[in-house]
Amino acid sequence: EDKVVQSPLSLVVHEGDTVTLNCSYEVTNFRSLLWYKQEKKAPTFLFMLTSSGIEKKSGRLSSILDKKELFSILNITATQTGDSAVYLCAVESGGSYIPTFGRGTSLIVHP
Amino acid sequence: NAGVTQTPKFRVLKTGQSMTLLCAQDMNHEYMYWYRQDPGMGLRLIHYSVGEGTTAKGEVPDGYNVSRLKKQNFLLGLESAAPSQTSVYFCASSSLTSGVYEQYFGPGTRLTVT
Repeated sequence: EDKVVQSPLSLVVHEGDTVTLNCSYEVTNFRSLLWYKQEKKAPTFLFMLTSSGIEKKSGRLSSILDKKELFSILNITATQTGDSAVYLCAVESGGSYIPTFGRGTSLIVHP
Repeated sequence: NAGVTQTPKFRVLKTGQSMTLLCAQDMNHEYMYWYRQDPGMGLRLIHYSVGEGTTAKGEVPDGYNVSRLKKQNFLLGLESAAPSQTSVYFCASSSLTSGVYEQYFGPGTRLTVT
């Protein structure tokens, strides 16, 4: 059974801090890992990672994948209150294109 | 381009009542999914469809049925609602042709069963 574990489950920081969110996985025939941001509504796509060591970057957010150690990290630098959200990690495996989601990390950024 | 839409946005049911949630997408996506989200549980897959006329069970299918008679629509049915089905339900769709297998999510349906 595919397994995706995110840590920490929750995080409270102040504006300007840098945070690192973790996603580890155990799946057969890994295909891709995706990060989503969920504010008080539907999840929205951030990144898709398929290759080890290649950083994906969008503004203050960046993510990297380690396929040998089976994990990914999502970094957010200079956090803002608008970064407050649940960050979801999902892994696709095999030929199904059916992702397995982790439980998410709840990030709260205080002014 | 509306993306993924869900109807209704909110609903309150009594135990034993039935209802159907409608999901529609206008992106010509092959795959469609129904998830439920409970506090601290992430997204759990109920059923999914890889194309018109096909459906399959996900992680938590009990108590739900689905149909995909048209490519753009995916219906989720609750035949006899139970309080354990109180949740937020998300529909999503994705395409295999773009090379990026991101899912597009609808706005969610908040269902309360009393």
